[in-house]
Amino acid sequence: EPEVTQTPSHQVTQMGQEVILRCVPISNHLYFYWYRQILGQKVEFLVSFYNNEISEKSEIFDDQFSVERPDGSNFTLKIRSTKLEDSAMYFCASNSNYGYTFGSGTRLTVV
Amino acid sequence: DQQVKQNSPSLSVQEGRISILNCDYTNSMFDYFLWYKKYPAEGPTFLISISSIKDKNEDGRFTVFLNKSAKHLSLHIVPSQPGDSAVYFCAASEDSGGYQKVTFGTGTKLQVIP
Repeated sequence: EPEVTQTPSHQVTQMGQEVILRCVPISNHLYFYWYRQILGQKVEFLVSFYNNEISEKSEIFDDQFSVERPDGSNFTLKIRSTKLEDSAMYFCASNSNYGYTFGSGTRLTVV
Repeated sequence: DQQVKQNSPSLSVQEGRISILNCDYTNSMFDYFLWYKKYPAEGPTFLISISSIKDKNEDGRFTVFLNKSAKHLSLHIVPSQPGDSAVYFCAASEDSGGYQKVTFGTGTKLQVIP
């Protein structure tokens, strides 16, 4: 069964550092998303991406965040200057005919 | 502003019995509702969905009921199995075509006791 692959599974970074979370969506999917889940809280929408541009973003997705699909297969989330409160599980998802497929997540720990 | 609410953070059910997970929503623009299951260290897995034009959708042991007037939906699992133990998220979208963002509830942790 096709999978959404996320790397790394766990990333530890120092506050203020830039971090890039990587995702390989399912190859024939057209819509891509990032969600995050802070420990003990709900899964929150960050951004959706279609046709090489952001189609929607939440208030969480401020200027510190950016997404890119640099090579037609990878879909990346960059946090420019990480804060302690960015510590969370970050889930990538892709979607073609309704029914998201989520990756297994990257646990980001900002210290 | 919690548009999708799951008021029970946890639920314990004996194996073989029915599990009923509840969800309430406030946004009347929601048009499509989904349930996801999540195991530790894994991403949410799609379980079952229902469009606002229906009031029931069944898939094997899983049935979702939608009461639009009450803005309430529920997931029934019968019979419950130990492998069903997971966190269940209710989710909703304003887009019945399926591509807009999904808003998640806070989840209900189901434990099925053998």
